[in-house]
Amino acid sequence: NAGVTQTPKFQVLKTGQSMTLQCAQDMNHNSMYWYRQDPGMGLRLIYYSASEGTTDKGEVPNGYNVSRLNKREFSLRLESAAPSQTSVYFCASSEGVFIRPLHFGNGTRLTVT
Amino acid sequence: QKEVEQNSGPLSVPEGAIASLNCTYSDRGSQSFFWYRQYSGKSPELIMSIYSNGDKEDGRFTAQLNKASQYVSLLIRDSQPSDSATYLCAGNNAGNMLTFGGGTRLMVKP
Repeated sequence: NAGVTQTPKFQVLKTGQSMTLQCAQDMNHNSMYWYRQDPGMGLRLIYYSASEGTTDKGEVPNGYNVSRLNKREFSLRLESAAPSQTSVYFCASSEGVFIRPLHFGNGTRLTVT
Repeated sequence: QKEVEQNSGPLSVPEGAIASLNCTYSDRGSQSFFWYRQYSGKSPELIMSIYSNGDKEDGRFTAQLNKASQYVSLLIRDSQPSDSATYLCAGNNAGNMLTFGGGTRLMVKP
């Protein structure tokens, strides 16, 4: 089992460029999440999808969009990258939304110059 | 004020000692709590989950939940250098979203 797979692992963007972070899980989990992690700020929730067909904003959704493509895949899009979006992004999944443990992917380290 | 608070550390303990990591939370309605371990440059991995008051033991790890005082703790017995990592506490908040503390860095010295 691969668990939660994120691509790419590293990315450098210029301000204003766009990109999509991909996430797929093979654990048959209903719920999926995108977090960002910054030094001193901990993990902060960007968006989540409680189940296929639904998405909701988290704590820091501005500047991001998401798509729950199917039960396995949940993508995060930056339409116009800004230096403030330089961070490490983690995708996660769980059986039940927020009440069961999250399983994290390996992360994407994004730098916006 | 963050909804889940942790001392950032570092907490330094000698090998073989008990490491005690603490976390407080502000939302009295929180029901699910988790401890994650994160090595530098890696993703968080689940150590323990706890849902009811009291202690829960798993090997060298014991999680403690006290809802009246709104704190969660993690005890690591017989600490090893391989336990050196950042430990993240997480709990669900009023909106039922899972929020994380900033993490406590643990250093176990041989």
